[in-house]
Amino acid sequence: DVKVTQSSRYLVKRTGEKVFLECVQDMDHENMFWYRQDPGLGLRLIYFSYDVKMKEKGDIPEGYSVSREKKERFSLILESASTNQTSMYLCASSLLDGRGGREQYFGPGTRLTVT
Amino acid sequence: AQSVTQLGSHVSVSEGALVLLRCNYSSSVPPYLFWYVQYPNQGLQLLLKYTTGATLVKGINGFEAEFKKSETSFHLTKPSAHMSDAAEYFCAVTPTGGGKLIFGQGTELSVKP
Repeated sequence: DVKVTQSSRYLVKRTGEKVFLECVQDMDHENMFWYRQDPGLGLRLIYFSYDVKMKEKGDIPEGYSVSREKKERFSLILESASTNQTSMYLCASSLLDGRGGREQYFGPGTRLTVT
Repeated sequence: AQSVTQLGSHVSVSEGALVLLRCNYSSSVPPYLFWYVQYPNQGLQLLLKYTTGATLVKGINGFEAEFKKSETSFHLTKPSAHMSDAAEYFCAVTPTGGGKLIFGQGTELSVKP
């Protein structure tokens, strides 16, 4: 079974703090993704990565950055947390399209509250 | 561009009744289609997927979906609802040529005893 783990299930941070959300997958997937999920808005893609040290902006990258130093690990960074970044953050991974992959496998999510 | 519309943000059924969750997509090229389920405070779990071949796709937990190209639909059904089916369900589409996975806004399913 594919396993995607996220470093925290619940996180509370103060406005202006730097926040790191970590994601690790154990199935040698090339692609990794960060989404945020808000009621009524579904899932929105923040960033994705198709290889180590590679990153692509998603639909809502503002206020976020990412890091992928190892294939299995993908980090989401909030440089200066703001209250409008309070949300559920979901990490996912998938095989490269050319290897027959397309479905994404999700971690359990991190519910971040910024006060 | 691809898009997904899920009709009804909330659906309520009685235990034992038919479950029907509607999904329509927009895609200029043949799509891959997915249904995911999310239980409270958990991540998304793949229920089923359509890539090529048979248009009626069976998934986990007794769910199935039918790809209807003429109607651009991929509705999710289950003949008999169980209390444990209460969750949020997401339909998603991606073009066969590659690209991002586009999610619908989700349908929350409630099951009444």
